[in-house]
Amino acid sequence: DVKVTQSSRYLVKRTGEKVFLECVQDMDHENMFWYRQDPGLGLRLIYFSYDVKMKEKGDIPEGYSVSREKKERFSLILESASTNQTSMYLCASSSQNYGYTFGSGTRLTVV
Amino acid sequence: AQSVTQPDIHITVSEGASLELRCNYSYGATPYLFWYVQSPGQGLQLLLKYFSGDTLVQGIKGFEAEFKRSQSSFNLRKPSVHWSDAAEYFCAVGVGGGYQKVTFGTGTKLQVIP
Repeated sequence: DVKVTQSSRYLVKRTGEKVFLECVQDMDHENMFWYRQDPGLGLRLIYFSYDVKMKEKGDIPEGYSVSREKKERFSLILESASTNQTSMYLCASSSQNYGYTFGSGTRLTVV
Repeated sequence: AQSVTQPDIHITVSEGASLELRCNYSYGATPYLFWYVQSPGQGLQLLLKYFSGDTLVQGIKGFEAEFKRSQSSFNLRKPSVHWSDAAEYFCAVGVGGGYQKVTFGTGTKLQVIP
């Protein structure tokens, strides 16, 4: 089975800290995505990547950046965490044959 | 840009009863449509998908969905709900072959009562 692994299930960070959320997939998928999930808002796309070193903004990229140095790894970076970035973050990968596969999510709390 | 509407935020059904969750989409071309389920504290699991062909799609866990182009709908159904079906359900529409950018609805939370 395809596996998408997010490095942390729960994370608590202080306002102003630089935060790294890591995501690794093991099936050589071309595409990787970062979403945030908030009650009543569903999933909103932050950034996605179609290939190594390529990235594209999603619907809500402000306050975030990403890095994809290797095909299997896609990192989400909060340069200076703020309380309004408290959320559930979901990573996904996809390919033409597999569609989307999600990780279990990282619940980030910024205090 | 594509969009998805799930008009029901919360639905309660009795165990053994039938279920229909509504989904309407907006997209100019042929859509790639999905239903996902999310149990508490978990990621999303794919229930079924429609790319082309037969408009009635069978998925896992006894779920099915019907694509109706004239109504821009892709409703999810199950004939008999089990307590373990309690979860949140997300409809989604994709572009670029269905495996590229996907837009999700806001979700419908299903409660199952004995």
